[in-house]
Amino acid sequence: AQSVTQLDSQVPVFEEAPVELRCNYSSSVSVYLFWYVQYPNQGLQLLLKYLSGSTLVKGINGFEAEFNKSQTSFHLRKPSVHISDTAEYFCAVDTGGFKTIFGAGTRLFVKA
Amino acid sequence: ETGVTQSPTHLIKTRGQQVTLRCSSQSGHNTVSWYQQALGQGPQFIFQYYREEENGRGNFPPRFSGLQFPNYSSELNVNALELDDSALYLCASSSGTGYEQYFGPGTRLTVT
Repeated sequence: AQSVTQLDSQVPVFEEAPVELRCNYSSSVSVYLFWYVQYPNQGLQLLLKYLSGSTLVKGINGFEAEFNKSQTSFHLRKPSVHISDTAEYFCAVDTGGFKTIFGAGTRLFVKA
Repeated sequence: ETGVTQSPTHLIKTRGQQVTLRCSSQSGHNTVSWYQQALGQGPQFIFQYYREEENGRGNFPPRFSGLQFPNYSSELNVNALELDDSALYLCASSSGTGYEQYFGPGTRLTVT
């Protein structure tokens, strides 16, 4: 069975500082990996995805993530955050079947 | 291109009642997945419909049921509502199993 662990429930950071949101997964088979963002009272929006190929994946809004198979991690990074990045971020894993497993989420709070 | 839409936006029901939530998939998508997102948690997979047939199910009791129509829109029905059913219910459509999912804004269900 697959599982996803987001290591930080909340991450406070000052505007224009870099940020890393950590995600570890477990699976006995190959996986697809995703990061979604959820703004208050809205659905989920896909930030980026790893299906295969280059382990460094670039997404929207200046975010990127690196797939590390040996450490079973898929951490999300942004070199300089903005106030508007304040939101809930979810890491998710999919084996290409019907079920996507989400982590519990990390709340990113950007302070002025 | 119209995105995924859900109705209603908010709903308040009493314990023991039944509820139907609706989802219109994105144009060209034949697969719909439903998720339950309790407050402060990540989305939990309920089930998926592919071309009008249930294609997979998460760990939810039979009182959670669904339908997919020929136009690929979908309904989620919950019978005998319990207080713990209070959550944001998210619908996601895709062009097939294992493909990228596009989420709707969700329906906020409150059970009193």
